[in-house]
Amino acid sequence: AQSVTQLGSHVSVSEGALVLLRCNYSSSVPPYLFWYVQYPNQGLQLLLKYTSAATLVKGINGFEAEFKKSETSFHLTKPSAHMSDAAEYFCAVSDRGSGNTPLVFGKGTRLSVIA
Amino acid sequence: DAGVIQSPRHEVTEMGQEVTLRCKPISGHNSLFWYRQTMMRGLELLIYFNNNVPIDDSGMPEDRFSAKMPNASFSTLKIQPSEPRDSAVYFCASSLKDSNSPLHFGNGTRLTVT
Repeated sequence: AQSVTQLGSHVSVSEGALVLLRCNYSSSVPPYLFWYVQYPNQGLQLLLKYTSAATLVKGINGFEAEFKKSETSFHLTKPSAHMSDAAEYFCAVSDRGSGNTPLVFGKGTRLSVIA
Repeated sequence: DAGVIQSPRHEVTEMGQEVTLRCKPISGHNSLFWYRQTMMRGLELLIYFNNNVPIDDSGMPEDRFSAKMPNASFSTLKIQPSEPRDSAVYFCASSLKDSNSPLHFGNGTRLTVT
């Protein structure tokens, strides 16, 4: 069964600094991978998804993620953090060809941005 | 597109009372999911439906929890009787029936059971 591990439940960066949120997946076949963001008192919103086209995926709000099969990783990055990026971020995985089994979510990483 | 609509946004009730949470998925989506989010356990899948049919309810914590989807545009999650440990944020999400289709989440119902 597929799973994802998010390293670090809380990451703190200074405004303007690089954001790096780590996600490693476990799957028997190359999966579909997703990053979601949750702002306070809201539901999760899709940031970006990887479905086997380009390995570098660009999402909303300047975020991007790179699929690295050799490292079974799908880390989320943003070159320069903004105060508005403070939120909780979730990595999720889905098996290809599984019909529609639900996404499996990681436990989330809370991003704090310091002025 | 109005997105996934959940009601109520907040619910405060006393232990032992029945609670019903409601969800209207995005039109055209044929899969619907109920999640529960708490600080301790994070995001937990409770149950999901494909084409209005419950597929997997193994995440439903107890028999006190039940979910229905009488048609493609409406679902309910009911807790009867409610207990303080049920206090959480409950999310509904919908998607197309495809493993690479993203989930679209509602804004959740914050349930407090006193």
